Amino acid sequence: GQQLNQSPQSMFIQEGEDVSMNCTSSSIFNTWLWYKQDPGEGPVLLIALYKAGELTSNGRLTAQFGITRKDSFLNISASIPSDVGIYFCAGQPLNTGNQFYFGTGTSLTVIP
Amino acid sequence: DADVTQTPRNRITKTGKRIMLECSQTKGHDRMYWYRQDPGLGLRLIYYSFDVKDINKGEISDGYSVSRQAQAKFSLSLESAIPNQTALYFCATSDSSGGAWKTQYFGPGTRLLVL
Repeated sequence: GQQLNQSPQSMFIQEGEDVSMNCTSSSIFNTWLWYKQDPGEGPVLLIALYKAGELTSNGRLTAQFGITRKDSFLNISASIPSDVGIYFCAGQPLNTGNQFYFGTGTSLTVIP
Repeated sequence: DADVTQTPRNRITKTGKRIMLECSQTKGHDRMYWYRQDPGLGLRLIYYSFDVKDINKGEISDGYSVSRQAQAKFSLSLESAIPNQTALYFCATSDSSGGAWKTQYFGPGTRLLVL
């Protein structure tokens, strides 16, 4: 299957700091999605990206679809305690009929 | 009410037992998926269905089977459970019509323990 490398694996930050995480793939993707998962819950979609170079915001979250189509990043500005959770990237390679592949997740801890 | 529901939420079973995990959705989506999540491995696709008559194997389908009983229902079966099927299982849906067809929406998950 497709390999998605997500980094960092975990982050411990102070409240108010900005956060950046990224995801890279071994092949070209035509869609990138970013999800957040709270303990005991399913992943919840944060941002969807459909075009190379696309930059999309959702409140304090900003994500970009890399120009090479092999990477994406997610930034969280001015972190707050409720940002705690696991963040997953997911991507859809070309011609896979809507199959998505997921990164291994970034666990975020925000210290008040 | 949640758009995607999964039952049961938690299940403990013994090796060799047959179990079924169920998923229902009220989103009206035509596409449904089953994933498993293991620590450090993210989510991996088990099976997916693009409509009632369409079933496709995902990345890790061995040891699993599925049934799409209706557009709103997609069940996952473990015919003979084994301990390495202990995991968190998620159902997801997506809509092939309109501009949002490429995004998936997840249920709350079923935590399965096979002893």
